[in-house]
Amino acid sequence: EAGVAQSPRYKIIEKRQSVAFWCNPISGHATLYWYQQILGQGPKLLIQFQNNGVVDDSQLPKDRFSAERLKGVDSTLKIQPAKLEDSAVYLCASSTWGVGAYSSPLHFGNGTRLTVT
Amino acid sequence: EDQVTQSPEALRLQEGESSSLNCSYTVSGLRGLFWYRQDPGKGPEFLFTLYSAGEEKEKERLKATLTKKESFLHITAPKPEDSATYLCAVRVGGATNKLIFGTGTLLAVQP
Repeated sequence: EAGVAQSPRYKIIEKRQSVAFWCNPISGHATLYWYQQILGQGPKLLIQFQNNGVVDDSQLPKDRFSAERLKGVDSTLKIQPAKLEDSAVYLCASSTWGVGAYSSPLHFGNGTRLTVT
Repeated sequence: EDQVTQSPEALRLQEGESSSLNCSYTVSGLRGLFWYRQDPGKGPEFLFTLYSAGEEKEKERLKATLTKKESFLHITAPKPEDSATYLCAVRVGGATNKLIFGTGTLLAVQP
């Protein structure tokens, strides 16, 4: 099966600019996650979607970050305006949901590496 | 607060030198412990899921074990291609099934 697709792979922007990332999950996966991974750290959840509804966005900096998942498939994550501390890899992941959901692992894309200068 | 701690932060082994990585956790209502491998420039790749104390899973040179407070990833006779960052994550109870990750162990296996 095709994996989680993300684009772009790399992005360099100046602080205060805006940027958007795109994710296409594994076909049939109802749950989609955006994680932020700062160099040398583990991934940190930003937002979780169940179909096109938000399940958890408690760690999303809502003053500058936004995300949407239209039609319950693809998703975009936007940062506006960017800060230096937003430099990180943004990982998208997907998983199944429903009976036995607790057993389903997250499948990750290769991420977008963002550098804010 | 739910917390996952991995040790050591980095580990350098000679090819064939077996060792273990540790993942300790403090969570309310564990719903599974996951091990992932992450290569440079790639996303985490799923290795194992463990659910209950005493459970073990194996894959090639890797074996994961689980107790009530920690998990170990044992690497037997490692090869250079086992070099990667190994991430541990826990799934906690509640409305979501999100994973909370540790900071990882960077493993380097030298020939």
